[in-house]
Amino acid sequence: ETGVTQTPRHLVMGMTNKKSLKCEQHLGHNAMYWYKQSAKKPLELMFVYNFKEQTENNSVPSRFSPECPNSSHLFLHLHTLQPEDSALYLCASSQDGGPGTDTQYFGPGTRLTVL
Amino acid sequence: GESVGLHLPTLSVQEGDNSIINCAYSNSASDYFIWYKQESGKGPQFIIDIRSNMDKRQGQRVTVLLNKTVKHLSLQIAATQPGDSAVYFCAENMTGRRALTFGSGTRLQVQP
Repeated sequence: ETGVTQTPRHLVMGMTNKKSLKCEQHLGHNAMYWYKQSAKKPLELMFVYNFKEQTENNSVPSRFSPECPNSSHLFLHLHTLQPEDSALYLCASSQDGGPGTDTQYFGPGTRLTVL
Repeated sequence: GESVGLHLPTLSVQEGDNSIINCAYSNSASDYFIWYKQESGKGPQFIIDIRSNMDKRQGQRVTVLLNKTVKHLSLQIAATQPGDSAVYFCAENMTGRRALTFGSGTRLQVQP
């Protein structure tokens, strides 16, 4: 195990539902990330948080809303998703020794299916 | 699975042979590189990293080579085992950015 946990591991939701993905890291890291891994594209960065502050939003649609209440927890709130949002959503964390120095450690992912 | 719609190059090797997985990166401003292994149903797992001031780094059974002239990265796995079967991704980090940019991956299949 990498020290990064994600729940739920699998989620099926309708387009009108609201759900949340949770990530928790037990590594004492200060930076956390959301990535999307779909069948048709390489791993894509969605959001970056550093010391609870969002430092990067990679042009993600507003139907995805991240929340980082503290350095150990990261949420991704989902509402009115589309079927093309079905993917594996991966959370990662890093120590944050500064840009270009951090190794990111990944959780197991949440497999999301939007009907 | 994850590979549907995204054609992954596949490397098939016999158990015990050495494997070499290649990656080309495009940004000359990248100064930190990581290799990840992703098994089915799991998140990417860190294997080894290298900084741009080095051209070779060795770990346990793995070696990463960096050729900045041609922007090429390779992962060598010695004495490949069935447990090495997975998708391998290279990732690069550009100077001044915290996020990683990932390649599309290579599937390694180890034949017993």
